[in-house]
Order: sequence, then structure tokens, then C-alpha cells
Amino acid sequence: DAGVIQSPRHEVTEMGQEVTLRCKPISGHNSLFWYRQTMMRGLELLIYFNNNVPIDDSGMPEDRFSAKMPNASFSTLKIQPSEPRDSAVYFCASSTGQGLNTEAFFGQGTRLTVV
Amino acid sequence: AQSVTQLGSHVSVSEGALVLLRCNYSSSVPPYLFWYVQYPNQGLQLLLKYTSAATLVKGINGFEAEFKKSETSFHLTKPSAHMSDAAEYFCAVSLSGNTPLVFGKGTRLSVIA
Repeated sequence: DAGVIQSPRHEVTEMGQEVTLRCKPISGHNSLFWYRQTMMRGLELLIYFNNNVPIDDSGMPEDRFSAKMPNASFSTLKIQPSEPRDSAVYFCASSTGQGLNTEAFFGQGTRLTVV
Repeated sequence: AQSVTQLGSHVSVSEGALVLLRCNYSSSVPPYLFWYVQYPNQGLQLLLKYTSAATLVKGINGFEAEFKKSETSFHLTKPSAHMSDAAEYFCAVSLSGNTPLVFGKGTRLSVIA
């Protein structure tokens, strides 16, 4: 299994531009999570999906952020317009949630820099 | 709501010395507990997990953790530190496999030769 795949690994964009981060979860996993990691705030949950349905988006910082999961094998996190304070590493994770398989598997992350 | 507190943002040990990273949790129901490790410019990798079976959990790379309900703790230990253990370590809690992990702030482990 290739694990959780995120793209791009690095993204540098100018303030005001739209940014789209992509995630392919592990096949068969029915839960998907988007986290943001910064030095100041650590790892924060942005949003999570169960069976492609958004369950809790209370961690999404502003309306500039949106996430979709059109099918079980793909999710996007979009920031429009981007701002310098959005600079962070964004992680996608997935889990099966079945029985004692409670752990989440993380992708390598996308390092976003907004200048 | 559940939460975890990691005591010490930075721990430094000598190579071969005991590693002890502290984690205390708060949860209204019996939780699932995890330790993850993050190497520079990498994602998070699961070290070990507690899922209400044995209270002493063994993980990868010689790490283990003990669940102590009376102390609401889940400290991570390794008898002998290796240079390759230098990384950031995160304790996390969740209520089920379909709910998100809530992470502590992390502890950066440095290993001195």
C-alpha cells in the first residue's frame, strides 16, 4: 500500500491567490482528516469526513477555507484567497475506524508558503 | 471533550540513557491513546497505541508506554536512547476510530552523543 498521498509536497504562492491541496487516502479507509501544523499552534484539526460526508468543520479558520471529498479516494482543501498567515504544513490522514484499528495514517504533508 | 498535555516541549538525553516523555490525558470516557513520532520534513508515524487491552503497550523502535488510569497518564519510555531517536513526539487521544485524534503540543527529543 502506498499510504496516504498528498500533493504537492511544497507550494509557494502569492497572497491573494487560490491554493488547492490534494489528498488520496488509503484504499478502504472511511475516515479522512485534514490537520494544519504550525510552530505556534501545533497540530490543529481543520475538518474531517466519514464516508465522504463532512462531519465537523469547526476547525476551519475562516470562510476562505473549504474542503471537499467527492469520492472515497480523493479530497481537496482549498484556500481562496490565501494570506501569509496561512503558511503552515497541512497534513491529510485517514483511518478505517474498524474495531481496534483506531489509528490514523498520515501523509507526508504539504508545506505551504504564502508570500 | 478530550485533551492531552505533554510536559516539556524539549527533552535532551545522552545516547544510551533512559528516555521518558510525559503525557497526561483528559477524557470523559475511556479513551484510545497514541504516541506518534515525526522526523524532520516528514509526516507522523505511529509508535504505539492503547486500545483498552494490555496497559503496558510495546511499540516500534524499542519504545513502550504504560496506561495508568489512576494518574491519567500515558508516558512513553525507552531504556536506551539512540541517536536516531531524535525527533518530535506527539501524544494523542481519541474516542473511537472514526473520530479525530486530539494532539498534544509535542516534545522534541534531542540525543547527545
